[in-house]
Amino acid sequence: EIVLTQSPGTLSLSPGERATLSCRASQSVSSSYLAWYQQKPGQAPRLLIYDASNRATGIPDRFSGSGSGTDFTLTISRLEPEDFAVYYCQQFASSPLTFGGGTKVEI
Amino acid sequence: QVQLQESGPGLVKPSGTLSLTCAVSGDSITSGTWWSWVRQPPGKGLEWIGEVYHIGTTNYNPSLKSRVTISVDTSKNHFSLRLTSVTAADTAFYYCARGPSVDIGLYGLDVWGQGTTVTVSS
Repeated sequence: EIVLTQSPGTLSLSPGERATLSCRASQSVSSSYLAWYQQKPGQAPRLLIYDASNRATGIPDRFSGSGSGTDFTLTISRLEPEDFAVYYCQQFASSPLTFGGGTKVEI
Repeated sequence: QVQLQESGPGLVKPSGTLSLTCAVSGDSITSGTWWSWVRQPPGKGLEWIGEVYHIGTTNYNPSLKSRVTISVDTSKNHFSLRLTSVTAADTAFYYCARGPSVDIGLYGLDVWGQGTTVTVSS
């Protein structure tokens, strides 16, 4: 099973600042089969990034994903008030399709 | 647009069976995508339960494999989750989701249901 470790657990930032979230895999995630989600309280997760670097439909370009192998990054270039939420990564390289533990981005 | 809607009992007794259905609208369940179940215990992170393809092929989380069955009904355009011998540890918000769509190389869960809460309690 591929274990995904997200860091930091909590990121305290202000609107307009840049957020950098990390997702590290216990073994290589082949073909960059990695996705990022945003979840706000009381809502279902929303797909932001798939295949490590492709933005999902309707996702603003301030969200970007990068990385390969075992190290992946989600970057939010300039935080908007609506971006304060919990972010999860998920790998699709091998079953079970594991999630990371999440990073909370707070003001 | 594509919508998913979970339904099923919100309360299940310990040692009982949890059964949920996910109705798919705006897409055919026979399209080239997998259909997934994910759960989230109160205040915790996401856990992948498993997935089904329209021909009935399934993959499950090994931590639940002995208790879980995911099936698909193409005539009703829905898929279902069955979890047996439930305990309080199975109390969670349960989501169904579309994906991954391997035919188009979209490795992500791109459409989610709103979720349904299931409590295991006597």
